[in-house]
Formats: sequence, structure tokens, C-alpha cells
Amino acid sequence: SAVISQKPSRDICQRGTSLTIQCQVDSQVTMMFWYRQQPGQSLTLIATANQGSEATYESGFVIDKFPISRPNLTFSTLTVSNMSPEDSSIYLCSAKKGLAGGSTDTQYFGPGTRLTVL
Amino acid sequence: AQKITQTQPGMFVQEKEAVTLDCTYDTSDPSYGLFWYKQPSSGEMIFLIYQGSYDQQNATEGRYSLNFQKARKSANLVISASQLGDSAMYFCAMRKYRDSSYKLIFGSGTRLLVRP
Repeated sequence: SAVISQKPSRDICQRGTSLTIQCQVDSQVTMMFWYRQQPGQSLTLIATANQGSEATYESGFVIDKFPISRPNLTFSTLTVSNMSPEDSSIYLCSAKKGLAGGSTDTQYFGPGTRLTVL
Repeated sequence: AQKITQTQPGMFVQEKEAVTLDCTYDTSDPSYGLFWYKQPSSGEMIFLIYQGSYDQQNATEGRYSLNFQKARKSANLVISASQLGDSAMYFCAMRKYRDSSYKLIFGSGTRLLVRP
């Protein structure tokens, strides 16, 4: 498994501002991901954070709104830019170690960042 | 398109009894993985159990077992001897192994409340 930490754990922000969320994994992992969970909803993948290159975004998410960095194999950041109340969500970082299928395919999640935008 | 369906928005169970949380999935791919996660009120997602589409036996992890019925495309989670700490949201998820994005598709979740 992987132990994943996120900072901050929660924040309350004003509309129009930006927040950067940090994700740290305790060991080298092959892949890191960012998910969003809107209130009362399930999880939706925002993007895959690629080490040393641009993140791969899912449909409906764009780099200008959610810039992502991954400078090494254990660390990634997600920025929520020009925030609006609709961005109020839990943002979760996840990671997986293997590239093959099977049980190595398991994604482990960080504790999440609970964001409220006023 | 692949889809995960959890038809039970909320469930109650008496402490020490067993409970089954339903999950059905839709995919035409032969190779995929199914996962169950627990999300307490704190918000973290805790991995519980994994089942591969080619696994011959149902997965088990302590008090958790997965009732995998491939022909019916169902992967129900069974929690035995429920404890108060099992009260949480439970999400079923799937990944297709031909999908190079490694994306997990989540169901809408089931909120389980364990009664003392």
C-alpha cells in the first residue's frame, strides 16, 4: 500500500482566489491522480498527474482551471484557480504503484482536502 | 460506456449482523478490476477489497468479502459481524484494463448505518 498525505486538510476561500493543494506519497509510485467529490456526490477523476510532463485531463476539466504539477515520483500539486462556490468540494489525491493489472492496480487515496468557496 | 450502479442510497444494519451492499457494473471488456472503498465522515477513502474479472474465487479480506457473479455483472460487498465503526459511505468502483488512463469509475455510493 501507500501512505498519502495532503495539505491543507480543509480551507475556506473567497471567490476569485486560487488554492494549491499538496499531495505527498511515502514511497515512489508510478501514477498519481486527482479526484473531485462534490457535496453528496461520488468521485470524478480530474486528471492524471504525469511526472515531468503535462497532466492528462479528463473531459470537462482544463489546465487553466486546474493546473497540476508532479516534479518527482512522490509529490504532486493541484491548484484550483479563480474559484467560485461551485468549486466547493473534497479534492482527493490518489496513487498506485504498479502498471500491471490485478491487485497491484489498487489506488490508494489521501485524506482529502475539504474546500469551501464563499 | 462503462457504468457502476449502486441501487441502495442508504442501508441500516444491527450491530454484529451481516449486511450486503449491492453493486452492478456494465462493461463489454473481458478484463477489468472491481474495487470497494469506505469513506467515513472524515472524507478519506479507504480501500477495502479487490476482485479481478478473471479471478476464480471470490475475494475476502477479514470481515469483508465480495460476492462476484460475473454472468450477472454484480460485485456485492458483504460485511460480516457489523461494528459501529462500519458506519460510512461505501463506493464500488471499476477499472477496465484496456483503458490506459487507469481511471476508476465510481458508483453513487451507499450510506451504511450500524445500529447498536
